[in-house]
Amino acid sequence: KQEVTQIPAALSVPEGENLVLNCSFTDSAIYNLQWFRQDPGKGLTSLLLIQSSQREQTSGRLNASLDKSSGRSTLYIAASQPGDSATYLCAVGGYGGSQGNLIFGKGTKLSVKP
Amino acid sequence: KAGVTQTPRYLIKTRGQQVTLSCSPISGHRSVSWYQQTPGQGLQFLFEYFSETQRNKGNFPGRFSGRQFSNSRSEMNVSTLELGDSALYLCASSAAGLAEETQYFGPGTRLLVL
Repeated sequence: KQEVTQIPAALSVPEGENLVLNCSFTDSAIYNLQWFRQDPGKGLTSLLLIQSSQREQTSGRLNASLDKSSGRSTLYIAASQPGDSATYLCAVGGYGGSQGNLIFGKGTKLSVKP
Repeated sequence: KAGVTQTPRYLIKTRGQQVTLSCSPISGHRSVSWYQQTPGQGLQFLFEYFSETQRNKGNFPGRFSGRQFSNSRSEMNVSTLELGDSALYLCASSAAGLAEETQYFGPGTRLLVL
């Protein structure tokens, strides 16, 4: 059974700091890994999607890496801003060949202080 | 292009009642997935529909059901509501429901069962 774990559960940093969020999964038979952000009471916004054949993806100040063999992914946020405050969720997709079924971690709640 | 829309946004029901939630995917998307989000369990997959057929189902009791119409709009129904069904219900759409595709989420329907 696939399990996704995110550490830490919460993180508070001062504005401008670079930070890394961690995600680990127990079974490497995935098609992709996706990072989302969720603002309080809102839906999810997709940030980055890494296919299983890729090692990393970048979008602006965000960089996500994937190491299937070790079952790990990291989300790097450069020069953090107060607007980055949100809960960040990682999800693995295609586990066991199943489509349209994402398995989520419980998220890291990030607070960026001005 | 309009995003995923969900109606209603908020619902209050009492135990034993039933409820129907609606999701309209992004235009052209044919796959719709449903997720339940609670503070304790996090995000859990309910089911996925593609071309009016349920393609995947999560580990939820039979009180949870869904359907998809020919225009790809989807509804989910929960019968005989229990207090534990209080949650944020999210739907997500993708073009073809392939494992390598990004899923786009709606804002959610917040259900409170009293």
